[in-house]
Amino acid sequence: NAGVTQTPKFQVLKTGQSMTLQCAQDMNHNSMYWYRQDPGMGLRLIYYSASEGTTDKGEVPNGYNVSRLNKREFSLRLESAAPSQTSVYFCASSKDSSYNEQFFGPGTRLTVL
Amino acid sequence: DQQVKQNSPSLSVQEGRISILNCDYTNSMFDYFLWYKKYPAEGPTFLISISSIKDKNEDGRFTVFLNKSAKHLSLHIVPSQPGDSAVYFCAASGKGGTSYGKLTFGQGTILTVHP
Repeated sequence: NAGVTQTPKFQVLKTGQSMTLQCAQDMNHNSMYWYRQDPGMGLRLIYYSASEGTTDKGEVPNGYNVSRLNKREFSLRLESAAPSQTSVYFCASSKDSSYNEQFFGPGTRLTVL
Repeated sequence: DQQVKQNSPSLSVQEGRISILNCDYTNSMFDYFLWYKKYPAEGPTFLISISSIKDKNEDGRFTVFLNKSAKHLSLHIVPSQPGDSAVYFCAASGKGGTSYGKLTFGQGTILTVHP
């Protein structure tokens, strides 16, 4: 089992460019999450998907869109990247939204110039 | 509005001694608390958790204490080992309201255990 995988590991964008961060899990989990981690801020929830076919905003959704492609995959899209979106992005999954323990991927380090 | 706070950015401890990491929360709807450990260039990994119906939970060298009246929890690591050096995040979730199904994280505490 690979657990939660994320691609790419690193990315550098110019302001205004777009990109999609990919996430997949092989644990047959129903719920998936996207977080960003910034220095001194901990992890903040961007979007989550309680189950296949549903998505909801988290604490910091502005500038992002998500797609729950199927039960395994949950992607995060930046339509027009801004320097404020420079961060480390983590994807996570859990059995379902009532189950508190979440399993995290290794992260994507994104720099927007 | 930081609902989960870890007021100590860093902690330095000697190998073999006790490490105590603290966490405070403000949201009364939180009823489940978790600690995650994170090494550089890796994702956070689950360490230990506690439900609000308990005041203590142990797992080997790790013990979490919950004081609901003070809205405070702490993680004790005894004895501390150099491999425990990492960033520790406190997280909370609730069964109702806007916190349902979501984790709210603290800012993290960098623990360094010196040999």
